[in-house]
Amino acid sequence: AQSVSQHNHHVILSEAASLELGCNYSYGGTVNLFWYVQYPGQHLQLLLKYFSGDPLVKGIKGFEAEFIKSKFSFNLRKPSVQWSDTAEYFCAVNRGNAGNMLTFGGGTRLMVKP
Amino acid sequence: ETGVTQSPTHLIKTRGQQVTLRCSSQSGHNTVSWYQQALGQGPQFIFQYYREEENGRGNFPPRFSGLQFPNYSSELNVNALELDDSALYLCASSLMTSPDTQYFGPGTRLTVL
Repeated sequence: AQSVSQHNHHVILSEAASLELGCNYSYGGTVNLFWYVQYPGQHLQLLLKYFSGDPLVKGIKGFEAEFIKSKFSFNLRKPSVQWSDTAEYFCAVNRGNAGNMLTFGGGTRLMVKP
Repeated sequence: ETGVTQSPTHLIKTRGQQVTLRCSSQSGHNTVSWYQQALGQGPQFIFQYYREEENGRGNFPPRFSGLQFPNYSSELNVNALELDDSALYLCASSLMTSPDTQYFGPGTRLTVL
């Protein structure tokens, strides 16, 4: 069965620190990859996505992610976090032949201290 | 704002009861997916409806069922509620041809006592 692993469950950073959140998936076929963010009290929002092409993708709010096929990874990065980045971050995978079904990781709760 | 609404916001039920949750999708979106998000976990796919028919199902028992209507609204029904059904239930609407543009609703928090 396809699974998505996020190894960091809780991350605490100070403002201006750099961020990297890990995401690994187990499916070997064609995949589409996503990072979603859930700010406190708000709905899930798409941060960025990878379907094909350049493995380094840029999203909203200064976030980027790199797809490394050989490592089955899609790590999220941001060079300098802000207090407003405090949220829960979810990596998700969609198999190319699975309609719109998303398999989510367990999430990483990020707290940024001012 | 995603244009996707869900009702009710919160709901409390007791074991064995039945519940219906509702979702109103973005206009024109022919696909709706439902997810269960237990506390401290990522959303888990329940099922997906495309043009009013079930079009994929996750690892959930048959007491979880759904309906999709022509007016872009949909329902999630859960029979014989169990304590473990307590969770946030999310719906997401999209076009079947565009899996990258799923819009999530705010969710319904269900508590089963």
